[in-house]
Amino acid sequence: GAGVSQSPRYKVAKRGQDVALRCDPISGHVSLFWYQQALGQGPEFLTYFQNEAQLDKSGLPSDRFFAERPEGSVSTLKIQRTQQEDSAVYLCASTLRGQFGNTIYFGEGSWLTVV
Amino acid sequence: AQSVSQHNHHVILSEAASLELGCNYSYGGTVNLFWYVQYPGQHLQLLLKYFSGDPLVKGIKGFEAEFIKSKFSFNLRKPSVQWSDTAEYFCAVTGSGNTGKLIFGQGTTLQVKP
Repeated sequence: GAGVSQSPRYKVAKRGQDVALRCDPISGHVSLFWYQQALGQGPEFLTYFQNEAQLDKSGLPSDRFFAERPEGSVSTLKIQRTQQEDSAVYLCASTLRGQFGNTIYFGEGSWLTVV
Repeated sequence: AQSVSQHNHHVILSEAASLELGCNYSYGGTVNLFWYVQYPGQHLQLLLKYFSGDPLVKGIKGFEAEFIKSKFSFNLRKPSVQWSDTAEYFCAVTGSGNTGKLIFGQGTTLQVKP
């Protein structure tokens, strides 16, 4: 596709449920990022992949959060045993390479509400 | 600690007014600076970026920003705003090694009255 595609766009989960959020980056983009954006805040970095390798997961808030990109293209962010504080927009972004000068393209986000 | 501070949380302007949104950062070492815009219901889009060179950077839609290293600032400006500029604006910083790991400010909501 032309841009970064995320699904589902909206997800309501009951507290304690597991959720999986999918990201399709722009074709050929090596680097992929996940961000979390709480209401009224700027996005916060969660994790970074270069191809299938997860090079940085320093922003994942707890061990309930897990991300993978097994074939170096599509990525899934999984949240286990969701809590109300997990309610946020989860943004995926990709870039040709995570290097100097490359533009980062963001998806429209997956809006997660935990009730 | 690395951080970005945007001073204005909500700005209301009339069309044709001039705009300046403040951004200050705290980051050790060489920085790359960005302004992103998010129109209602749309994804984050890059307005402009500074990596090196001329500290006055021009972006899309008539926006510009000035990097003042001594003040750790990267303020966004536009001489004359339009109703279509109504959006949320985010300042972000990253180090020179990885331009994808961005640290964002909390955003400024701009409302332009027709």
